[in-house]
Amino acid sequence: AQKVTQAQTEISVVEKEDVTLDCVYETRDTTYYLFWYKQPPSGELVFLIRRNSFDEQNEISGRYSWNFQKSTSSFNFTITASQVVDSAVYFCALSRHQTGANNLFFGTGTRLTVIP
Amino acid sequence: EPEVTQTPSHQVTQMGQEVILRCVPISNHLYFYWYRQILGQKVEFLVSFYNNEISEKSEIFDDQFSVERPDGSNFTLKIRSTKLEDSAMYFCASSDKGVGRTEAFFGQGTRLTVV
Repeated sequence: AQKVTQAQTEISVVEKEDVTLDCVYETRDTTYYLFWYKQPPSGELVFLIRRNSFDEQNEISGRYSWNFQKSTSSFNFTITASQVVDSAVYFCALSRHQTGANNLFFGTGTRLTVIP
Repeated sequence: EPEVTQTPSHQVTQMGQEVILRCVPISNHLYFYWYRQILGQKVEFLVSFYNNEISEKSEIFDDQFSVERPDGSNFTLKIRSTKLEDSAMYFCASSDKGVGRTEAFFGQGTRLTVV
């Protein structure tokens, strides 16, 4: 069974602080994919990153970085120098690696509030 | 940039009524999905659709739900007889090679309120 745990329900930081959102997953598959999505107050789901379980290299995109550690089944997301526009709910998700449609298993989300 | 569009953005319906939620996936995508999010909760998978048939469905997707691709562009979710607990945000998503091999792009959602 696939499971994603985001233990941090809500986090508040002051603007310009760094913040890390934790994601721990469970799967029996040896190959799988991990994702992060952002849900701003307007409600849509915005894709941020997809990572193949074979690739444990950390990734950086501007102020965003992701730390994938297979040994601890974690895929954490760090925002550097946070801004008010980063305020949103962030979802970590997992999918299987198989042909066909598959689907996403989402965590419960972490609500990030960046205080000006 | 291509996007998934959903209509309406908000629908209010009376319990027991039928509703149809509409989605236009990204044009060259082949895999389509519906997810729902009860207010303040996580996003849950309902159904996936490929090659004009359902690929997979969750336990939530019972006989009250159906999906259809009536033409080359629309993808619809029908709830036959709505219940109060169907109130949620419903998201349509599409993917060109299936989730995993590629990402899924989501629409802005339809907020369904059953009264």
